[in-house]
Amino acid sequence: GAGVSQSPRYKVAKRGQDVALRCDPISGHVSLFWYQQALGQGPEFLTYFQNEAQLDKSGLPSDRFFAERPEGSVSTLKIQRTQQEDSAVYLCASSWGGGAFNLGTEAFFGQGTRLTVV
Amino acid sequence: AQTVTQSQPEMSVQEAETVTLSCTYDTSENNYYLFWYKQPPSRQMILVIRQEAYKQQNATENRFSVNFQKAAKSFSLKISDSQLGDTAMYFCALKAAGNKLTFGGGTRVLVKP
Repeated sequence: GAGVSQSPRYKVAKRGQDVALRCDPISGHVSLFWYQQALGQGPEFLTYFQNEAQLDKSGLPSDRFFAERPEGSVSTLKIQRTQQEDSAVYLCASSWGGGAFNLGTEAFFGQGTRLTVV
Repeated sequence: AQTVTQSQPEMSVQEAETVTLSCTYDTSENNYYLFWYKQPPSRQMILVIRQEAYKQQNATENRFSVNFQKAAKSFSLKISDSQLGDTAMYFCALKAAGNKLTFGGGTRVLVKP
């Protein structure tokens, strides 16, 4: 497809369950980002990949959160032992460039996965 | 650390009129970009307009324009000739070192017919 694709669109998990969220970036895009958006708030950065390298994971809220992009394309965000505070929309974004010389590059976003932990 | 603040939770405007959204930011970096993103109910963020910090000229994209006041660290968005399709959440965002976007809390814009 032409855009960033995320699946599933909606996920309901019981507290304590593990979940995996998938992001298919635009083909050829070097940079991939995950953001968490709580209800009524702005997105907050979770982690950043440049190709397969995870360059920044400073936004991951706990060691229950893990992200990977093993072949530099598709990425998976995994949340172990989900808690109610993990309920949010998880947004993925990709851009063709990376690094300090590409700050103005547009990030293209997917439609997000809405996670509800009950 | 970077911060972005949007002080207006909600704005309403009549169709065809003009509305201005406020945004202030803070960063210690000299090289950075500022963005306005639109998020409709579909949740997909759409880039509206961007501004490079080194450029003094304010960016314009069709009905959207910005007022970039670097010394005051202010970056407002003006929507002219508002259309019903402009109804959405609008987020101001900053990108500096590290390549990640720092977003404000958003302003909900409602265009009334």
